Amino acid sequence: DAGVIQSPRHEVTEMGQEVTLRCKPISGHDYLFWYRQTMMRGLELLIYFNNNVPIDDSGMPEDRFSAKMPNASFSTLKIQPSEPRDSAVYFCASSRGGVGSYFGSGTRLTVV
Amino acid sequence: AQSVAQPEDQVNVAEGNPLTVKCTYSVSGNPYLFWYVQYPNRGLQFLLKYITGDNLVKGSYGFEAEFNKSQTSFHLKKPSALVSDSALYFCAVRDETGGFKTIFGAGTRLFVKA
Repeated sequence: DAGVIQSPRHEVTEMGQEVTLRCKPISGHDYLFWYRQTMMRGLELLIYFNNNVPIDDSGMPEDRFSAKMPNASFSTLKIQPSEPRDSAVYFCASSRGGVGSYFGSGTRLTVV
Repeated sequence: AQSVAQPEDQVNVAEGNPLTVKCTYSVSGNPYLFWYVQYPNRGLQFLLKYITGDNLVKGSYGFEAEFNKSQTSFHLKKPSALVSDSALYFCAVRDETGGFKTIFGAGTRLFVKA
């Protein structure tokens, strides 16, 4: 298996623009997690899905953030409109049974 | 509320010496505990987990961790460090009653000197 695949690896965008981050989980995994990593706040869980259903989105910072999982092999995290403080590395992770996650390589987002 | 603490920002070890990266946790129920490693510009890699059973858990790359319920600790250890072990290490905890919301520590940077 290729592991968790995220795209793009790097994204630079202007403030106010819409940003969409993409994730393909490992086949057969039933949990998918979106995390954000910054120097100041460390690794934060934003939202997670079980069997494509959002279970806990209490970590989503604002209404500007939204996440979808239309099927078992694809998820998106969207920020609209983006702001400079959204600059971070965003990780997607998947697991089977919710224990011991496998992380993607991350998307480094820079909002200028 | 669950929380996890990694008291050391950085640990320095000479190659061949044993290493310990400390972690303490707080949960309301039985803990699920994890260690992850992150190399530069990479995602986190799962090392090992404790769910139940033997307090000494063995994981990838020769790492192990000891669960100590009375001290609420889950320290990561390796008998002989390698230069290639230099990376950022994260301890994480999940409360069995809290769904699958996993809380990560701030991370400890390990430097292994040749």
